[in-house]
Amino acid sequence: NAGVTQTPKFQVLKTGQSMTLQCAQDMNHEYMSWYRQDPGMGLRLIHYSVGAGITDQGEVPNGYNVSRSTTEDFPLRLLSAAPSQTSVYFCASSPPPGVGNTGELFFGEGSRLTVL
Amino acid sequence: GQQLNQSPQSMFIQEGEDVSMNCTSSSIFNTWLWYKQDPGEGPVLLIALYKAGELTSNGRLTAQFGITRKDSFLNISASIPSDVGIYFCAGPYTASKLTFGTGTRLQVTL
Repeated sequence: NAGVTQTPKFQVLKTGQSMTLQCAQDMNHEYMSWYRQDPGMGLRLIHYSVGAGITDQGEVPNGYNVSRSTTEDFPLRLLSAAPSQTSVYFCASSPPPGVGNTGELFFGEGSRLTVL
Repeated sequence: GQQLNQSPQSMFIQEGEDVSMNCTSSSIFNTWLWYKQDPGEGPVLLIALYKAGELTSNGRLTAQFGITRKDSFLNISASIPSDVGIYFCAGPYTASKLTFGTGTRLQVTL
Protein backbone atom coordinates (compact mmCIF):
# COMPACT_ATOMS: atom_id res chain seq x y z
CA ASN A 1 0.00 0.00 0.00
CA ALA A 2 2.81 2.44 -0.95
CA GLY A 3 0.88 5.25 -2.73
CA VAL A 4 3.33 8.07 -3.58
CA THR A 5 6.95 7.47 -2.57
CA GLN A 6 9.52 10.25 -2.45
CA THR A 7 13.27 9.89 -1.99
CA PRO A 8 15.36 11.16 -0.34
CA LYS A 9 13.47 12.44 2.70
CA PHE A 10 16.31 14.78 3.67
CA GLN A 11 19.15 16.28 1.63
CA VAL A 12 21.76 18.97 2.17
CA LEU A 13 23.41 20.53 -0.87
CA LYS A 14 26.00 23.17 -1.48
CA THR A 15 25.22 26.06 -3.80
CA GLY A 16 25.78 25.02 -7.40
CA GLN A 17 25.38 21.29 -6.86
CA SER A 18 22.79 19.33 -8.81
CA MET A 19 20.50 16.60 -7.63
CA THR A 20 17.31 14.72 -8.47
CA LEU A 21 14.33 14.22 -6.19
CA GLN A 22 12.64 10.95 -7.02
CA CYS A 23 8.89 10.36 -7.03
CA ALA A 24 7.09 7.12 -7.79
CA GLN A 25 3.41 6.20 -7.54
CA ASP A 26 1.79 2.78 -7.76
CA MET A 27 -1.84 3.87 -8.26
CA ASN A 28 -1.66 4.11 -12.06
CA HIS A 29 -2.56 7.80 -11.89
CA GLU A 30 -2.16 9.77 -15.10
CA TYR A 31 -1.54 13.10 -13.45
CA MET A 32 1.51 13.93 -11.33
CA SER A 33 2.87 17.19 -9.96
CA TRP A 34 5.56 18.76 -7.81
CA TYR A 35 4.92 21.43 -5.17
CA ARG A 36 7.22 23.29 -2.84
CA GLN A 37 6.16 24.37 0.63
CA ASP A 38 7.65 27.42 2.29
CA PRO A 39 6.59 28.99 5.60
CA GLY A 40 3.64 31.34 5.20
CA MET A 41 3.34 30.66 1.47
CA GLY A 42 1.37 27.43 1.30
CA LEU A 43 2.14 25.00 -1.49
CA ARG A 44 3.22 26.34 -4.86
CA LEU A 45 3.15 24.31 -8.05
CA ILE A 46 6.54 23.80 -9.74
CA HIS A 47 5.82 21.44 -12.65
CA TYR A 48 3.09 19.01 -13.56
CA SER A 49 2.38 16.20 -16.00
CA VAL A 50 -0.88 14.90 -17.45
CA GLY A 51 0.70 11.71 -18.78
CA ALA A 52 3.89 10.01 -19.88
CA GLY A 53 5.86 12.25 -22.22
CA ILE A 54 3.86 15.39 -21.31
CA THR A 55 5.02 18.01 -18.83
CA ASP A 56 4.26 21.66 -18.23
CA GLN A 57 5.33 24.51 -15.98
CA GLY A 58 3.53 25.58 -12.86
CA GLU A 59 3.77 28.78 -10.86
CA VAL A 60 7.46 28.57 -9.85
CA PRO A 61 9.35 26.48 -12.46
CA ASN A 62 12.65 28.37 -12.65
CA GLY A 63 15.66 26.30 -11.61
CA TYR A 64 13.84 22.98 -11.94
CA ASN A 65 13.49 20.41 -14.70
CA VAL A 66 11.18 17.43 -14.98
CA SER A 67 10.56 14.53 -17.33
CA ARG A 68 7.92 11.81 -17.42
CA SER A 69 9.09 8.72 -19.26
CA THR A 70 6.72 6.34 -17.44
CA THR A 71 3.32 6.64 -15.77
CA GLU A 72 4.87 5.69 -12.43
CA ASP A 73 7.84 8.07 -12.14
CA PHE A 74 8.16 11.85 -12.13
CA PRO A 75 11.64 13.01 -11.03
CA LEU A 76 12.43 16.63 -10.23
CA ARG A 77 15.92 17.87 -11.11
CA LEU A 78 17.73 20.83 -9.61
CA LEU A 79 20.43 21.75 -12.12
CA SER A 80 22.40 24.24 -10.00
CA ALA A 81 21.06 24.51 -6.47
CA ALA A 82 20.59 27.93 -4.88
CA PRO A 83 19.79 28.85 -1.25
CA SER A 84 16.37 30.08 -2.44
CA GLN A 85 15.54 26.47 -3.27
CA THR A 86 15.73 25.48 0.39
CA SER A 87 12.24 24.12 0.95
CA VAL A 88 10.10 21.06 1.50
CA TYR A 89 9.13 19.43 -1.78
CA PHE A 90 5.98 17.38 -2.28
CA CYS A 91 5.11 15.10 -5.15
CA ALA A 92 1.45 14.36 -5.81
CA SER A 93 -0.55 12.17 -8.13
CA SER A 94 -4.20 12.04 -9.11
CA PRO A 95 -6.56 10.51 -11.61
CA PRO A 96 -7.79 12.90 -14.32
CA PRO A 97 -10.77 15.15 -13.50
CA GLY A 98 -14.10 13.62 -14.35
CA VAL A 99 -17.42 12.43 -13.03
CA GLY A 100 -17.05 11.23 -9.47
CA ASN A 101 -13.51 12.53 -9.15
CA THR A 102 -13.30 14.71 -6.09
CA GLY A 103 -10.14 16.50 -7.18
CA GLU A 104 -8.12 14.66 -4.59
CA LEU A 105 -4.36 14.82 -4.92
CA PHE A 106 -2.41 12.04 -3.21
CA PHE A 107 0.77 13.43 -1.72
CA GLY A 108 4.06 11.83 -0.77
CA GLU A 109 5.62 12.45 2.63
CA GLY A 110 7.87 15.20 1.32
CA SER A 111 11.58 15.77 0.75
CA ARG A 112 13.27 18.39 2.91
CA LEU A 113 16.06 20.12 1.01
CA THR A 114 18.60 22.54 2.45
CA VAL A 115 20.95 24.46 0.18
CA LEU A 116 23.94 26.04 1.90
CA GLY B 1 -2.50 34.06 -11.28
CA GLN B 2 -5.14 33.17 -8.75
CA GLN B 3 -4.54 34.14 -5.15
CA LEU B 4 -6.05 32.51 -2.10
CA ASN B 5 -6.05 34.42 1.16
CA GLN B 6 -6.55 32.17 4.14
CA SER B 7 -7.20 33.33 7.69
CA PRO B 8 -6.31 33.17 10.42
CA GLN B 9 -2.66 32.26 9.90
CA SER B 10 -2.52 30.41 13.18
CA MET B 11 -4.79 29.48 16.06
CA PHE B 12 -4.10 28.33 19.59
CA ILE B 13 -7.19 26.79 21.16
CA GLN B 14 -8.11 24.57 24.05
CA GLU B 15 -9.39 21.06 23.61
CA GLY B 16 -13.16 21.07 23.20
CA GLU B 17 -13.36 24.48 21.56
CA ASP B 18 -14.84 25.07 18.11
CA VAL B 19 -12.65 26.41 15.29
CA SER B 20 -13.50 28.50 12.25
CA MET B 21 -11.28 29.44 9.34
CA ASN B 22 -11.92 30.87 5.91
CA CYS B 23 -10.45 31.34 2.50
CA THR B 24 -11.10 33.98 -0.15
CA SER B 25 -10.17 34.02 -3.80
CA SER B 26 -9.53 36.85 -6.24
CA SER B 27 -11.56 34.97 -8.84
CA ILE B 28 -14.61 32.73 -9.00
CA PHE B 29 -13.99 29.05 -8.26
CA ASN B 30 -16.08 26.06 -9.33
CA THR B 31 -14.41 23.78 -6.78
CA TRP B 32 -13.22 24.30 -3.23
CA LEU B 33 -11.15 21.73 -1.43
CA TRP B 34 -9.91 21.56 2.16
CA TYR B 35 -6.77 19.63 3.03
CA LYS B 36 -5.05 18.89 6.33
CA GLN B 37 -1.32 18.39 6.79
CA ASP B 38 -0.15 16.51 9.86
CA PRO B 39 3.38 17.32 11.07
CA GLY B 40 5.95 15.62 8.84
CA GLU B 41 3.38 14.38 6.36
CA GLY B 42 1.88 15.42 3.03
CA PRO B 43 -1.58 17.05 2.88
CA VAL B 44 -4.65 14.84 2.89
CA LEU B 45 -8.04 15.77 1.46
CA LEU B 46 -10.73 16.44 4.07
CA ILE B 47 -13.69 17.83 2.16
CA ALA B 48 -14.51 18.73 -1.45
CA LEU B 49 -17.20 21.26 -2.46
CA TYR B 50 -18.64 21.68 -5.96
CA LYS B 51 -21.62 24.02 -5.78
CA ALA B 52 -22.19 27.53 -4.46
CA GLY B 53 -23.96 27.37 -1.11
CA GLU B 54 -23.06 23.71 -0.60
CA LEU B 55 -22.57 22.64 3.02
CA THR B 56 -20.69 19.37 3.55
CA SER B 57 -19.69 17.57 6.73
CA ASN B 58 -17.04 14.99 7.49
CA GLY B 59 -17.38 13.96 11.13
CA ARG B 60 -16.68 17.03 13.27
CA LEU B 61 -15.66 19.05 10.21
CA THR B 62 -18.09 21.16 8.22
CA ALA B 63 -17.18 23.16 5.12
CA GLN B 64 -19.22 25.60 3.06
CA PHE B 65 -18.88 26.84 -0.51
CA GLY B 66 -19.64 30.57 -0.36
CA ILE B 67 -22.53 31.86 -2.45
CA THR B 68 -20.28 34.41 -4.18
CA ARG B 69 -18.08 31.46 -5.27
CA LYS B 70 -15.08 33.47 -4.10
CA ASP B 71 -14.90 32.12 -0.58
CA SER B 72 -15.14 29.01 1.54
CA PHE B 73 -15.29 28.23 5.24
CA LEU B 74 -14.18 25.33 7.42
CA ASN B 75 -15.46 24.69 10.92
CA ILE B 76 -14.18 22.11 13.39
CA SER B 77 -16.37 21.35 16.35
CA ALA B 78 -15.19 20.12 19.75
CA SER B 79 -11.50 20.09 18.86
CA ILE B 80 -9.25 17.26 20.03
CA PRO B 81 -5.44 16.99 20.15
CA SER B 82 -5.24 15.09 16.85
CA ASP B 83 -6.73 18.13 15.07
CA VAL B 84 -3.28 19.73 15.32
CA GLY B 85 -1.79 20.49 11.92
CA ILE B 86 -1.98 22.90 9.01
CA TYR B 87 -5.26 23.32 7.17
CA PHE B 88 -5.18 24.41 3.53
CA CYS B 89 -7.93 25.54 1.26
CA ALA B 90 -7.41 24.82 -2.43
CA GLY B 91 -9.07 25.07 -5.80
CA PRO B 92 -9.95 24.66 -8.60
CA TYR B 93 -8.95 21.21 -9.85
CA THR B 94 -7.66 21.04 -13.42
CA ALA B 95 -4.93 18.80 -14.85
CA SER B 96 -3.53 17.93 -11.44
CA LYS B 97 -3.16 21.63 -10.71
CA LEU B 98 -4.41 23.11 -7.50
CA THR B 99 -3.87 26.57 -6.08
CA PHE B 100 -3.38 26.35 -2.33
CA GLY B 101 -4.02 28.93 0.34
CA THR B 102 -1.29 29.98 2.73
CA GLY B 103 -2.58 27.66 5.44
CA THR B 104 -3.96 27.93 8.97
CA ARG B 105 -1.77 26.35 11.63
CA LEU B 106 -3.87 24.90 14.45
CA GLN B 107 -2.48 24.14 17.89
CA VAL B 108 -4.68 22.44 20.49
CA THR B 109 -3.82 22.58 24.17
CA LEU B 110 -5.19 20.23 26.79
